[in-house]
Amino acid sequence: NAGVMQNPRHLVRRRGQEARLRCSPMKGHSHVYWYRQLPEEGLKFMVYLQKENIIDESGMPKERFSAEFPKEGPSILRIQQVVRGDSAAYFCASSPRTGTAGELFFGEGSRLTVL
Amino acid sequence: QKEVEQNSGPLSVPEGAIASLNCTYSDRGSQSFFWYRQYSGKSPELIMSIYSNGDKEDGRFTAQLNKASQYVSLLIRDSQPSDSATYLCAVNAGNQFYFGTGTSLTVIP
Repeated sequence: NAGVMQNPRHLVRRRGQEARLRCSPMKGHSHVYWYRQLPEEGLKFMVYLQKENIIDESGMPKERFSAEFPKEGPSILRIQQVVRGDSAAYFCASSPRTGTAGELFFGEGSRLTVL
Repeated sequence: QKEVEQNSGPLSVPEGAIASLNCTYSDRGSQSFFWYRQYSGKSPELIMSIYSNGDKEDGRFTAQLNKASQYVSLLIRDSQPSDSATYLCAVNAGNQFYFGTGTSLTVIP
């Protein structure tokens, strides 16, 4: 039973390039969350998606960042025109449900370095 | 503003002692409560979940929830050096999971 799968695990981009991070939730999970974590800091919520729907994107920067969770395939977090401040670990997590008993399971993360 | 507060630490305990980690939350509508362990450079790993007032034990770990005081705690008995990590408290309210900034625990051999 595979866990939450993220790729790439490590990504290096130059300023101005695009970064695409992928996340396949655990089997049977339809809720996907993306978090960003800077070194020595806590997890910052970015976006919550269900299949084909963005439910809550209140943590996403207004520009350059977008996310999707299509009917088929993984969820994708896209960062356009990356800047050095985007360097961070990006974690995807999935849950089978929200509310009581909705546990959240994390992938291994994608570590983005912007040169 | 929904907040989850934790002491950042660092918390140091000798091997074999009890480590006590605390967390408070602001949203009285919170429904579910979780403790995650995160080793340096790794992803958060769920170690305990608790949904009702009282204690919940799992091996060396005990989670305690007091909704009236909006307080969650995690006790680690017989602490081991391998327990050295950052412990994140998380609270689920509606669609959202809110995380504290974590408490760094070091278990000294």
